[in-house]
Amino acid sequence: EVQLVETGGGLVQPGRSLKLSCVASGFTFNNYWMSWTRQAPGKGLEWVASITNSGGSTYYPDSVKGRFTISRDNAQNTLYLQMNSLRSEDTATYYCTSGNWFAYWGQGTLVTVSS
Amino acid sequence: DVVMTQTPVSLPVSLGGQASISCRSSQSLVHSNGNTYLHWYLQKPGQSPQLLIYRVSNRFSGVPDRFSGSGSGTDFTLKISRVEPEDLGDYYCLQSTHFPFTFGSGTKLEIK
Repeated sequence: EVQLVETGGGLVQPGRSLKLSCVASGFTFNNYWMSWTRQAPGKGLEWVASITNSGGSTYYPDSVKGRFTISRDNAQNTLYLQMNSLRSEDTATYYCTSGNWFAYWGQGTLVTVSS
Repeated sequence: DVVMTQTPVSLPVSLGGQASISCRSSQSLVHSNGNTYLHWYLQKPGQSPQLLIYRVSNRFSGVPDRFSGSGSGTDFTLKISRVEPEDLGDYYCLQSTHFPFTFGSGTKLEIK
């Protein structure tokens, strides 16, 4: 059974940093692209970042480019999202997703950016 | 960026009835490799999104055949026949042909 378990969310002040983790199991992690997608409270879905299976290439929308960094440790089956210079508009539930068409989703971890 | 226009915003439907959701993109979703990366998701209340349809018309593992996807180019449709209570929630389309990947704004399927 595929499982994606996100951790690392919480309350953080504007301008500070936070690092999310996602531990994957039930599939061959290093065969698949991985991504982060977020959902602000009561809002729709927004793609945040993707990384190729080897980790050699990463992709971001302009809203987070230069502030967020996606990375992975294939030996530990773990995906990361380093978030710097956080803003109030980054407040959301962050989901880890697997594969080219986001086949599996974790339960999400809530990040609240507020003073 | 590719804008995904999803309609309707809200879709009242009778149990046992049929529902149809449209997703239109601001540019063609045909990739240079010939594939079209348009997918559909359902987010049930209080849950994470779940994949229903990938690459326009392929049902994901375990998805009932009441769900079907169709379309090409810039115009795509998700149809749900014989709506059941477990189908209620928010539906989203996603294009992953062009960066940045973009979602539709969602359609809330609710009981009439």
